[in-house]
Amino acid sequence: AQRVTQPEKLLSVFKGAPVELKCNYSYSGSPELFWYVQYSRQRLQLLLRHISRESIKGFTADLNKGETSFHLKKPFAQEEDSAMYYCALMDSNYQLIWGAGTKLIIKP
Amino acid sequence: EAQVTQNPRYLITVTGKKLTVTCSQNMNHEYMSWYRQDPGLGLRQIYYSMNVEVTDKGDVPEGYKVSRKEKRNFPLILESPSPNQTSLYFCASTYRQGLGGELFFGEGSRLTVL
Repeated sequence: AQRVTQPEKLLSVFKGAPVELKCNYSYSGSPELFWYVQYSRQRLQLLLRHISRESIKGFTADLNKGETSFHLKKPFAQEEDSAMYYCALMDSNYQLIWGAGTKLIIKP
Repeated sequence: EAQVTQNPRYLITVTGKKLTVTCSQNMNHEYMSWYRQDPGLGLRQIYYSMNVEVTDKGDVPEGYKVSRKEKRNFPLILESPSPNQTSLYFCASTYRQGLGGELFFGEGSRLTVL
């Protein structure tokens, strides 16, 4: 079955500490994976996609097919990173399958 | 400004009273979709539309209807709302699903069914 798992509902780290938001997927084909972010009082928006291999706002995510993971990382957390983060997988019908989300809180 | 607009943003209603949540986009997007967001469950797709007059069920379509008579509009209809439809609803669109995977979301509509 196709599934996206974000094991942490809540992650709290101090400002300046490294951040890793976990995402694991189950998919039989070649996956296309995304991270979306929802800041307080803002719309849900695309943060990054694995095919772009880009770094956005200091965040990176590497697709690890062996571990079926797509963890989101940032070396030094900033207070403005506090938000809800969703990992998503595009299936063969081009529909997005969403994880349950992780709420990231950056403590000052 | 290019955006997806949902109305109403907040609504409290009673069981059985039909309601419609409107969604409009001004980006000439072909694909539109409705999601509901519930704590611990993330986003679950209700219905989607690949283009005008083409709609398909998502993962949780029961109790909902949609229509796509015009490219810009994709209303969500609850014919007889029940308390288990209390949720935060999001409309989203993109030029064509499959091209890049970036969805543009509305601000959300918080619905409470008493």
